[in-house]
Amino acid sequence: EIVLTQSPVTLSVSPGDRATLSCRASQSVGGNLAWYRQKPGQAPTLLIYGASIRATGIPARFSGSGSGTEFTLTISSLQSEDFAVYYCQYYNSWPLTFTFGPGTKVDNK
Amino acid sequence: EVQLVQSGAEVKKPGESLNISCKASGFSFTSHWIAWVRQMPGKGLEWMGSTYPGDTIYSPSFQGQVTLSADKSLSTTYLQWRSLKASDTAMYYCARLDKTTGNYLIDYWGQGCLVTVSS
Repeated sequence: EIVLTQSPVTLSVSPGDRATLSCRASQSVGGNLAWYRQKPGQAPTLLIYGASIRATGIPARFSGSGSGTEFTLTISSLQSEDFAVYYCQYYNSWPLTFTFGPGTKVDNK
Repeated sequence: EVQLVQSGAEVKKPGESLNISCKASGFSFTSHWIAWVRQMPGKGLEWMGSTYPGDTIYSPSFQGQVTLSADKSLSTTYLQWRSLKASDTAMYYCARLDKTTGNYLIDYWGQGCLVTVSS
């Protein structure tokens, strides 16, 4: 069973700052890694899939990198709507399996 | 426009049964699996299982605890409990799976259904 860990647990940043979030897998997931943003009181939204591909409509300030067991989500210039919880997720074709990391909360310094 | 519209919040007592729904529109229902995801209060996301008309796969953590089903005539999926526990109190999301990338990816989410179980 693949386990995802995320760091830091909380990241305190100011609007306009750069934010770097990490996700580590207990074993290689190849490039099957997605990132989601969950704003308070809302459902998650897909940001990145395939480790580095922005989903439709996602601004260019979001970028993803990594492969295997180490992944990074970077927000180049934080906007007010980016104060949220970010989850990484491993997805597999078959057997159908989805594993979420515990999340990183990005809050306003 | 892809939409997943979930049924409204529920307040139930322990031991009661419950069926919540997720109605899909804006895409071919029979071309996509639908996943269900639990989020307990203040906690993270947990995949419960995924369903497709005629097939269902459960996370080992939820196997035997819930029942997932799909009705293609109504483009609707269901999450069912026979006997609720207080620990089932959570927000439940349905979400669409897309395979255009070659792997099943959760791309669109419903708005969530809050289930509260309390005596």
